[in-house]
Amino acid sequence: DAGITQSPRHKVTETGTPVTLRCHQTENHRYMYWYRQDPGHGLRLIHYSYGVKDTDKGEVSDGYSVSRSKTEDFLLTLESATSSQTSVYFCAISAVKGGGRETQYFGPGTRLLVL
Amino acid sequence: SQQGEEDPQALSIQEGENATMNCSYKTSINNLQWYRQNSGRGLVHLILIRSNEREKHSGRLRVTLDTSKKSSSLLITASRAADTASYFCATDGTSGSRLTFGEGTQLTVNP
Repeated sequence: DAGITQSPRHKVTETGTPVTLRCHQTENHRYMYWYRQDPGHGLRLIHYSYGVKDTDKGEVSDGYSVSRSKTEDFLLTLESATSSQTSVYFCAISAVKGGGRETQYFGPGTRLLVL
Repeated sequence: SQQGEEDPQALSIQEGENATMNCSYKTSINNLQWYRQNSGRGLVHLILIRSNEREKHSGRLRVTLDTSKKSSSLLITASRAADTASYFCATDGTSGSRLTFGEGTQLTVNP
């Protein structure tokens, strides 16, 4: 699992509540990603980071923000949770080879239910 | 929109049989990867094939890539019940975009 942990693993929250999910890695990888996985949509990229304080949007970034103040931690915040954000959230890191981003390693996922 | 599309969406076979899954994509790629996901778990990388490669093997896995048809196939030989999982292809585009995943094929191997 490339030393990737996610917390919490499960969360139930109410609509309108802010929620923060944490991804922690122990191997000093530069690139980190947040995806959501929903039936019929596969994995969709929310945000990614290419270094401390360096982040960029993915294809489904609306309603989400991220922060990376340390190499090992990448936080995903749902500013005001909605039912449409009920999903399974995966963090991933990218093992860089030859100057390019290649294989990704995934955390165990966080199952979020927004009521 | 998803870059990769897997086919079939679901596949059920008997132990010992071979399983073939296909992936089609739309734009030029640097490489194509296959991942496996067991129920309730994260994705696990299986194999990567570069755009200048046509075939790659890893144990019981065989991956082919046809860039002219923008398609790839994953063959699992002599399947086992433990191979039951969802399988995803992911493409790394030449435009500098990130990995783009398909929706996956659910493989069930019956003992």
